[in-house]
Amino acid sequence: ETGVTQTPRHLVMGMTNKKSLKCEQHLGHNAMYWYKQSAKKPLELMFVYSLEERVENNSVPSRFSPECPNSSHLFLHLHTLQPEDSALYLCASSQDRASRDTQYFGPGTRLTVL
Amino acid sequence: QKEVEQNSGPLSVPEGAIASLNCTYSDRVSQSFFWYRQYSGKSPELIMSIYSNGDKEDGRFTAQLNKASQYVSLLIRDSQPSDSATYLCAVNVPARQLTFGSGTQLTVLP
Repeated sequence: ETGVTQTPRHLVMGMTNKKSLKCEQHLGHNAMYWYKQSAKKPLELMFVYSLEERVENNSVPSRFSPECPNSSHLFLHLHTLQPEDSALYLCASSQDRASRDTQYFGPGTRLTVL
Repeated sequence: QKEVEQNSGPLSVPEGAIASLNCTYSDRVSQSFFWYRQYSGKSPELIMSIYSNGDKEDGRFTAQLNKASQYVSLLIRDSQPSDSATYLCAVNVPARQLTFGSGTQLTVLP
């Protein structure tokens, strides 16, 4: 256990559904991240939050909408997704955003879009 | 040129042998380097971090960094079947985010 939890662990949704992914960290960290991991591709950074403020959005389609209500919780709201959005979605946290700060990952949500 | 490059493998070594995993990076101002292990269907877990040139040892794992050659490696001594996983190299550049390689798949044969 890394101190980062994610729910649900598996999610199957149709293209017209709306769902949300939840991440919670119990490490007292100030930075949180959403990554997408597709087969045979490097981890893709989607969003970065620092002290609840979004500091980076890596050209992610608007059908993905993040929310960070406090420094311990991070959500990813999903709507009208495409089949190519099927992937493992990973949440991570770090103490801050210094280059030496280690990122700790949650177990991920395996998303399948039908 | 990819920012962080790793041989995708698969790399197979017999049990008890030394597994050598390599990673090169393109940005000379990179300062922090991380090795993560990812078992199939699981999330990445940190194995080692290294910031200075030279070797850093932790149990059976040794990370080696050569900033002049822009090269970082991970050696696993006395490899065990439980070491079979994908190993991700990650590089951090100041004022930018952590960049991951595609990973090297390692299989340790009993």
